[in-house]
Amino acid sequence: DAKTTQPPSMDCAEGRAANLPCNHSTISGNEYVYWYRQIHSQGPQYIIHGLKNNETNEMASLIITEDRKSSTLILPHATLRDTAVYYCIVRGTNAGKSTFGDGTTLTVKP
Amino acid sequence: DGGITQSPKYLFRKEGQNVTLSCEQNLNHDAMYWYRQDPGQGLRLIYYSQIVNDFQKGDIAEGYSVSREKKESFPLTVTSAQKNPTAFYLCASTKSRRENQPQHFGDGTRLSIL
Repeated sequence: DAKTTQPPSMDCAEGRAANLPCNHSTISGNEYVYWYRQIHSQGPQYIIHGLKNNETNEMASLIITEDRKSSTLILPHATLRDTAVYYCIVRGTNAGKSTFGDGTTLTVKP
Repeated sequence: DGGITQSPKYLFRKEGQNVTLSCEQNLNHDAMYWYRQDPGQGLRLIYYSQIVNDFQKGDIAEGYSVSREKKESFPLTVTSAQKNPTAFYLCASTKSRRENQPQHFGDGTRLSIL
């Protein structure tokens, strides 16, 4: 499975949009992009996933570039409770090969 | 409510002792996973199982063992051969082995050495 690259940390003002980037330049055609977040001492929480089309749900939007080599998770109106570590992973048919990198620590500030 | 239950939340191990971490799910999911997380780092895969009575090693299986006798249960044993077992252990499941299934995670077990 493809590995991902994320910035180690980002800040965002409360109420503003948080845009978290992820590079996955070696992604294969059948691999999905997933985003999770983890609040300290809890299990990761699923946010959203996509294959090649942009996706939106009640939590966030996922923008995947046309060449699928990168994506951006958008939290449209960040709140203090969105402060967490955000993981971008790619996963294909081998269910055991989801590599979680070190993620991006997002800090939402008042 | 359906979900994944991990127990205990905190566990202490003495030198040379085996300990077993419990993971139970009532989501009727086929696939289950065990991850290890060290402070400030991401998750590393220990073992996974895509069907009952079958499991595969992940990236860091040495010093660990698992069983999958029932669909809803996937216990992890940390053996005395694991020399640095202090970590946060997370169990997850997916509905099937297909690539478009998100993982559901438990709230973890924190293991420490006495």
